[in-house]
Amino acid sequence: DAGVIQSPRHEVTEMGQEVTLRCKPISGHNSLFWYRQTMMRGLELLIYFNNNVPIDDSGMPEDRFSAKMPNASFSTLKIQPSEPRDSAVYFCAIARLAGTGELFFGEGSRLTVL
Amino acid sequence: GENVGLHLPTLSVQEGDNSIINCAYSNSASDYFIWYKQESGKGPQFIIDIRSNMDKRQGQRVTVLLNKTVKHLSLQIAATQPGDSAVYFCAENFQGAQKLVFGQGTRLTINP
Repeated sequence: DAGVIQSPRHEVTEMGQEVTLRCKPISGHNSLFWYRQTMMRGLELLIYFNNNVPIDDSGMPEDRFSAKMPNASFSTLKIQPSEPRDSAVYFCAIARLAGTGELFFGEGSRLTVL
Repeated sequence: GENVGLHLPTLSVQEGDNSIINCAYSNSASDYFIWYKQESGKGPQFIIDIRSNMDKRQGQRVTVLLNKTVKHLSLQIAATQPGDSAVYFCAENFQGAQKLVFGQGTRLTINP
């Protein structure tokens, strides 16, 4: 029961290029999260939104990363310019109920920056 | 969603046996704990949760035990099946915060 649809599933790009990852919730939610997963650092929270408003972006690595949620049905994570160390799997997840740790993750976007 | 775990702790069990996956959490103020399962190529999937006012909670074929004294959490899977092969993560948060902190994960392998 994936709560979100992510695209692209895989992206290979060259250093310096702009990358945009997309997330489309497919069910009701009140919160949306962007996570990054790497072998070295595991699962890290980058940013989350409540009712489309960014609440905590302290996990965003640096200014090259930005996230938007223009409406309840769509969110983007942008990296500009991308660097090889950004290579990771990026997950979007939603919480359907407040105060619960039950998140519904998408299948992830695997990013490789050459 | 592949979690390439060259350095992940690994647990191998025989099919049909019970599995116990352990997790040491870091924050003594954490009051809510969750177990997630991640299969290869997929995102993490919620299994079961427990609040700090409990020390045990049971689900379907799974049991979570919480020992706050030693900050230890465990996930027990009864009668392990091939479909249980995955990486299992514990996660914690506190004071109703929405920021889950995930552990490093344990890879569970089922031997036929």
